[in-house]
Amino acid sequence: QQQVKQSPQSLIVQKGGISIINCAYENTAFDYFPWYQQFPGKGPALLIAIRPDVSEKKEGRFTISFNKSAKQFSLHIMDSQPGDSATYFCAARPGDKIIFGKGTRLHILP
Amino acid sequence: GAGVSQSPSNKVTEKGKDVELRCDPISGHTALYWYRQSLGQGLEFLIYFQGNSAPDKSGLPSDRFSAERTGGSVSTLTIQRTQQEDSAVYLCASSSGINSPLHFGNGTRLTVT
Repeated sequence: QQQVKQSPQSLIVQKGGISIINCAYENTAFDYFPWYQQFPGKGPALLIAIRPDVSEKKEGRFTISFNKSAKQFSLHIMDSQPGDSATYFCAARPGDKIIFGKGTRLHILP
Repeated sequence: GAGVSQSPSNKVTEKGKDVELRCDPISGHTALYWYRQSLGQGLEFLIYFQGNSAPDKSGLPSDRFSAERTGGSVSTLTIQRTQQEDSAVYLCASSSGINSPLHFGNGTRLTVT
């Protein structure tokens, strides 16, 4: 129950397309759902985050959609660019720590 | 300002040796986290510090792993009698509070031969 399940494991999208990454959780005590972006050789960095009292949050080309009843949330990257090629991690907070999904390697074709 | 600093950036050690990994968090950040990143396994939580105390050690894989934090700042993760399965990138992150984002260092890549 202390898990966040992420899919797909890898994703290839054409430049200008929409990239969609999905996550699911079981523990209803989770109260914070961030997404992190990681480039090779670097640590992850916070991209965008949402709390469960909100169904959608948008920051530029990045949108989180949150479905509390289904216990699912997703990251949408609009107008995907080659510079978005990275590994993306969804995460959730139970208590004082953050637990992460296994990651999605996103490749945007030029 | 300076971000989270980890050293060494790379460490190659022989099986059975002990290793120490160091993390310098962002100044003033009270929370410090250690994660392990293995290929295809995402970010595995190891331990969390609030100040010098470790309220949650639940992720440490075995008693060969230990961590300490001194002065509410620098943290050291120690792995004793290293095994090949310990090979991974060890990431440290700090945060100004539980409602604040994690700031990660670039990690220490540990290779056990």
